[in-house]
Amino acid sequence: AQKVTQAQTEISVVEKEDVTLDCVYETRDTTYYLFWYKQPPSGELVFLIRRNSFDEQNEISGRYSWNFQKSTSSFNFTITASQVVDSAVYFCALSGGAAGNKLTFGGGTRVLVKP
Amino acid sequence: GAVVSQHPSRVICKSGTSVKIECRSLDFQATTMFWYRQFPKQSLMLMATSNEGSKATYEQGVEKDKFLINHASLTLSTLTVTSAHPEDSSFYICSASWDRGGPDTQYFGPGTRLTVL
Repeated sequence: AQKVTQAQTEISVVEKEDVTLDCVYETRDTTYYLFWYKQPPSGELVFLIRRNSFDEQNEISGRYSWNFQKSTSSFNFTITASQVVDSAVYFCALSGGAAGNKLTFGGGTRVLVKP
Repeated sequence: GAVVSQHPSRVICKSGTSVKIECRSLDFQATTMFWYRQFPKQSLMLMATSNEGSKATYEQGVEKDKFLINHASLTLSTLTVTSAHPEDSSFYICSASWDRGGPDTQYFGPGTRLTVL
């Protein structure tokens, strides 16, 4: 069975600080997909990134960056120079293998960026 | 691209009534739609998966007679909460994806907050 663990339930930072969200996953499949979603207070989940298990390249998109390490089964997410608008709950998720399209979500990490 | 809408965004109903929530993919054809439920400060819980033209597949513990799902077209799925009770009050979110030969990205709607009095 697939499992995603986000050990940090809540992180509070001051604006312009960097913040790293941890995500550790478990799966027996060799082909799988990892995702990050952002859920602002409005409630809608916003897709941020998808990464397949064969692509371990790190990715940077503006102030966002992701570090995928298969050796430690981790897919961590860093927000650089955080802004108040980054305040949200961030979910890491996993799909693939026997689960097909179904997403297994982590518990989420609430990020609060204070001005 | 990949916009999913939900209607209504918020609904309040009396106990015993039925409520229908619509989920639409606006700019793509969704081969698969998913329905989730989210309690306050918790993660998303998958309720069911629906493919266009076929019966929905419900997750263990989800009452199919209570939560009726219809995926009538490639752009529309509906969730009907039948004979709603206060314990059904929750945030319901749908997502949609299209089949490109492997697990694909799910794009989420804005959610529907249901309050049953």
